[in-house]
Amino acid sequence: AQKITQTQPGMFVQEKEAVTLDCTYDTSDQSYGLFWYKQPSSGEMIFLIYQGSYDEQNATEGRYSLNFQKARKSANLVISASQLGDSAMYFCAMREGGDNAGNMLTFGGGTRLMVKP
Amino acid sequence: SAVISQKPSRDICQRGTSLTIQCQVDSQVTMMFWYRQQPGQSLTLIATANQGSEATYESGFVIDKFPISRPNLTFSTLTVSNMSPEDSSIYLCSVAGLAGRLSYNEQFFGPGTRLTVL
Repeated sequence: AQKITQTQPGMFVQEKEAVTLDCTYDTSDQSYGLFWYKQPSSGEMIFLIYQGSYDEQNATEGRYSLNFQKARKSANLVISASQLGDSAMYFCAMREGGDNAGNMLTFGGGTRLMVKP
Repeated sequence: SAVISQKPSRDICQRGTSLTIQCQVDSQVTMMFWYRQQPGQSLTLIATANQGSEATYESGFVIDKFPISRPNLTFSTLTVSNMSPEDSSIYLCSVAGLAGRLSYNEQFFGPGTRLTVL
């Protein structure tokens, strides 16, 4: 079974609108972490946001927020007020195990977001 | 975050040759990793680079094909050996545990090396 599933291969959003990128995960560990990265066409991987499994509040970083629903095993990324520069591939990733388990990440297949002017 | 550089940024290589990719970080880090991203695909972990000892490889990756070195806390190399066109990918190093900080909630990537094998 896929550990990280991103069901939206591609999405369009109108500039200045909000958009939600879906991510579901599968793990039997009680302690784990979820990451979102942005990959523009240049190929670099830009860290956006992190959510720990024990964090009681949803993570937020500027225009990025993570809608963490633990019972549903989902960690959707919400981008508010989309900008043209947000057009990129977005990857959800998971680290399994506790804080000392090492930081090996498993990645989802990615979602290509295209922001329309 | 850390400043991570990779050399070369891109290369075009002939089948059967080898290429060594360097990853340099501007501060000491606890963990370094190497990932591969095949064209149009997601990232797959190749191995964890361990300082002063052999790297830990993921299933499907072997030391003979992808030898890795990590002589200190700021530097690592990945060699892609006896290359074939199927090795054409972006290779990215990533780091965690900056300057002794807790590592579990952050991981940063280098700019990647785009490799094309003819």
